[in-house]
Amino acid sequence: EAGVAQSPRYKIIEKRQSVAFWCNPISGHATLYWYQQILGQGPKLLIQFQNNGVVDDSQLPKDRFSAERLKGVDSTLKIQPAKLEDSAVYLCASSEGRQGYGYTFGSGTRLTVV
Amino acid sequence: KQEVTQIPAALSVPEGENLVLNCSFTDSAIYNLQWFRQDPGKGLTSLLLIQSSQREQTSGRLNASLDKSSGRSTLYIAASQPGDSATYLCAVRMAYKYIFGTGTRLKVLA
Repeated sequence: EAGVAQSPRYKIIEKRQSVAFWCNPISGHATLYWYQQILGQGPKLLIQFQNNGVVDDSQLPKDRFSAERLKGVDSTLKIQPAKLEDSAVYLCASSEGRQGYGYTFGSGTRLTVV
Repeated sequence: KQEVTQIPAALSVPEGENLVLNCSFTDSAIYNLQWFRQDPGKGLTSLLLIQSSQREQTSGRLNASLDKSSGRSTLYIAASQPGDSATYLCAVRMAYKYIFGTGTRLKVLA
């Protein structure tokens, strides 16, 4: 079974630039999550989709972060403009449903803002 | 507000030792608890999931226990191996999202 695919693996940008991350969940997984993991901390949920609808985006900095999940499959997370404190690993995960069975994480995108 | 704490933050042990990683949480109204493994530069791998009604789960050399009323979980690793070196994260599920601890960095010395 293919896992959760994320790209790119690494990204280095200057502050105030924009960046986008892509995630392809496991086939058939209705629920998709984006997490931010700052070095030395546990992952923090940014946004959760159920199919193509947003379930929770309470911790998403909406002035600079946006995410979409068109057609309920792939998802993109965008940061515009980036700040130094956005340097982190951005993890995508998916599960069969909201109960969390089959919860699987991707390898993440490591973002460095300089 | 749910807070998840993991102790110790880092641990270094010789190969073959049995070890215990601790996780505590402040709100006992959880749906389940998962233990994850994270290798450097990699994503998270789910090790064990314990439902709120369960007391423990076992997989190979790993055993996780859950005491929901006291807000504690432990991950027991038997006969540790260098390949067990990684960061171990516990996460509790509140409604539809997981709250993660900061992890325990484990190094098993050959």
